Amino acid sequence: NAGVTQTPKFRVLKTGQSMTLLCAQDMNHEYMYWYRQDPGMGLRLIHYSVGEGTTAKGEVPDGYNVSRLKKQNFLLGLESAAPSQTSVYFCASSYSETQYFGPGTRLLVL
Amino acid sequence: AQSVTQLDSQVPVFEEAPVELRCNYSSSVSVYLFWYVQYPNQGLQLLLKYLSGSTLVKGINGFEAEFNKSQTSFHLRKPSVHISDTAEYFCAVSDLTGGFKTIFGAGTRLFVKA
Repeated sequence: NAGVTQTPKFRVLKTGQSMTLLCAQDMNHEYMYWYRQDPGMGLRLIHYSVGEGTTAKGEVPDGYNVSRLKKQNFLLGLESAAPSQTSVYFCASSYSETQYFGPGTRLLVL
Repeated sequence: AQSVTQLDSQVPVFEEAPVELRCNYSSSVSVYLFWYVQYPNQGLQLLLKYLSGSTLVKGINGFEAEFNKSQTSFHLRKPSVHISDTAEYFCAVSDLTGGFKTIFGAGTRLFVKA
């Protein structure tokens, strides 16, 4: 089992560019989450999904969109990147209260 | 709504000394409580969790935590730390509703010195 994988590992964007972060899990988990991690702020929930075809907003959803077309994948999109979106992004999945995290994507927006 | 406060941003400690990382939470409903650990350049992994029952919870790598409902605390302890325990530790709470949305504290960086 690969667990939770994230693509890409690192990316540099210019302000205004768009990109999609991919999260994949092979544990057949119903729930999936996207977080951003910033120094001194812990992890903040961006969006989450309780099942295929469903998504919901978390604490900091502005500037991001998500899709869950397949149970195993959860995509995070930035339509027009801003420097404030420079962060480390973590995906997680779960079938109950314990979450399993991917290795993270480091994003730098110039 | 829930919130989590980790009272120390950094904790330096010598190897083989005991350590306590403090966490307080607030919630108007019942919650689950967690400690996650993040080693450098990795994702988070579960250290231990409290769902119900005994208030003293044991986790991996010799860590334990005690749930105190009256003080709304969930402090993490280890009697003797190793260099390999150097990491960032996150306290978290999750509600019991659909989706298990989890709120994380800001993190405590544990630095174990030789």
